[in-house]
Parts: sequence; structure tokens; C-alpha cells
Amino acid sequence: AQSVSQHNHHVILSEAASLELGCNYSYGGTVNLFWYVQYPGQHLQLLLKYFSGDPLVKGIKGFEAEFIKSKFSFNLRKPSVQWSDTAEYFCAVKPPMTGNQFYFGTGTSLTVIP
Amino acid sequence: KAGVTQTPRYLIKTRGQQVTLSCSPISGHRSVSWYQQTPGQGLQFLFEYFSETQRNKGNFPGRFSGRQFSNSRSEMNVSTLELGDSALYLCASSLGLASQETQYFGPGTRLLVL
Repeated sequence: AQSVSQHNHHVILSEAASLELGCNYSYGGTVNLFWYVQYPGQHLQLLLKYFSGDPLVKGIKGFEAEFIKSKFSFNLRKPSVQWSDTAEYFCAVKPPMTGNQFYFGTGTSLTVIP
Repeated sequence: KAGVTQTPRYLIKTRGQQVTLSCSPISGHRSVSWYQQTPGQGLQFLFEYFSETQRNKGNFPGRFSGRQFSNSRSEMNVSTLELGDSALYLCASSLGLASQETQYFGPGTRLLVL
């Protein structure tokens, strides 16, 4: 079955630590990839997206993600996290020919300790 | 530009009742998608509307239905509510159906079924 996997369900880091959240998908062909963030009490916001070109994409708030086609992965990274990064992070895949249907991973809850 | 708005924000219903949720997309956006978010299942796609036509439907029972109006506003209806329908219902809008469209999410309607 087609799926999006986020292997880290809960991550706890201290401020200034580096972050990497994994995302793997099982769709073939050309896919569009997204990372969304949901801060406590707020709505889902787009962090970054990848459509084509440079596999290393930069998003807002210092986040970046690397698309590795051979591994079907789109991992999210940040060199130094802040307390304000505490949130739920969702990887999403939009396969071809599916309109606007996104397939989301189950999310990773990140807690940053000051 | 105003974001996606959803009403009501919170709703409490009892089993067997029905409920209607409303979504107003970003001005100019013609595609509206609905998702159900629960702690156990994450975000699951319900359906998508574009130009008043349902374009795509997720794997949900027929109790879940929706529609879109000529001004792109959308409603979803859940009939014969069950306890398991308790969730955050998210609406997302995008300009159109192009594969590289980004979806912008609303704050959601939190439904509690007692």
C-alpha cells in the first residue's frame, strides 16, 4: 500500500541541538513533497516543499530538507533548534495524478527543552 | 489576504446526530480539501472539491459527505455521528489542481461526539 512513514514519533532535544526527522514514502514516479508544522494551538503551516531541481530545499525558520530519490526519503533538518520549534511536524506527499490529495505521515512531536 | 476560515471552531454533539462544518477558502482559491485528524490515525484525506465538483474521495463511509458552492466555500456533513468521529476536521484550499499546488490549512473544527 502507498504510505508515508515518519519513524520518529516523539523527539526531545535541548536547545541548540541539531534536528533530523525522517520521512520515507512508497509512491513511485514523480512526487511532490512537503513538510508542514503545527505549533501548539495553531493551524498547519507549510515549512518547505520540493517539486524538482536541487534536492536540498530550504524553508522558513532555518529548516531544510533533502530529497534522496534512491531512498524514497525527504528528511527534515535544522542545525540548531530553539524552544519555539516545539511543535508537531508532518511530512506530506502528493503523488502524481491525485489532484490535491495529500498523503500525510503520522507526525513527529518535537519538544525542545530550554 | 485572509487565510482559510472554518466555522464553528468547536462543536459537541451526541451519537446519532448530524453535523455540518463550513470552510471558506483563501480568496481566489478554487480547490477545497477536507481532512480528519486524530491522534491515532494522523491526517486522513476525506474529499476534495473543485468548481463545485467532487474530484477525489478518501476511504470514509458514506455518512461523510460534502459540497462546494459557486463562491468556492465548502461544507462537509457527517450524519449519524459515532463516537469515533470525534476529531479535528481540517479544511485546506489551493488555487487549482496543478500538481505543484500548495495547500493552505485552516484552524480546524474540533468535533466531540458524546
